[in-house]
Amino acid sequence: DGGITQSPKYLFRKEGQNVTLSCEQNLNHDAMYWYRQDPGQGLRLIYYSQIVNDFQKGDIAEGYSVSREKKESFPLTVTSAQKNPTAFYLCASRGLAGGSYEQYFGPGTRLTVT
Amino acid sequence: AQSVTQLDSQVPVFEEAPVELRCNYSSSVSVYLFWYVQYPNQGLQLLLKYLSGSTLVKGINGFEAEFNKSQTSFHLRKPSVHISDTAEYFCAVMVASNYQLIWGAGTKLIIKP
Repeated sequence: DGGITQSPKYLFRKEGQNVTLSCEQNLNHDAMYWYRQDPGQGLRLIYYSQIVNDFQKGDIAEGYSVSREKKESFPLTVTSAQKNPTAFYLCASRGLAGGSYEQYFGPGTRLTVT
Repeated sequence: AQSVTQLDSQVPVFEEAPVELRCNYSSSVSVYLFWYVQYPNQGLQLLLKYLSGSTLVKGINGFEAEFNKSQTSFHLRKPSVHISDTAEYFCAVMVASNYQLIWGAGTKLIIKP
């Protein structure tokens, strides 16, 4: 079955540690996205990538980093510089051909930093 | 700048009653419109989308939405809700020029037995 996987589903870290969230897709989509979700705020875009080895900052990129070495994978690192990292993180992908436009989402990773 | 407003943060409704979740957007250019549903601790799932053509679009789980260009609205409706519709619903707008999604803050649909 095609889809997006995110691991782990729950992640706990101590303050000051970097942590990497995994996102893998087998939909052959060119574009991938990372969002942060906080209660009552909808989704906010962290980073996105439309092609391998290229990515762009979203609205709240500070304290985060990404890489796109393979089309299928778009890992997100939450660095110790991110002041309030506890949140629900969602990865999404979109095919750039065919005029479909919608984004497909993974199940999310809930990160708790104490 | 474009924005999306979901007018209600929560909508309580009795089971088998109709429901409307409201969404308004601000944009002076062509847009594509989406409604997504999120069940607790899960990712988002596409309910329906408007790209062009008929302004009344039908989606999964019996939901439909109507695009009203003059009122810049895209309200989501269901004639009879079920307990399984309990979830948070997000309206999103994609500006045709850059294909980025702008999200509303979400509306929690609470079904009362």
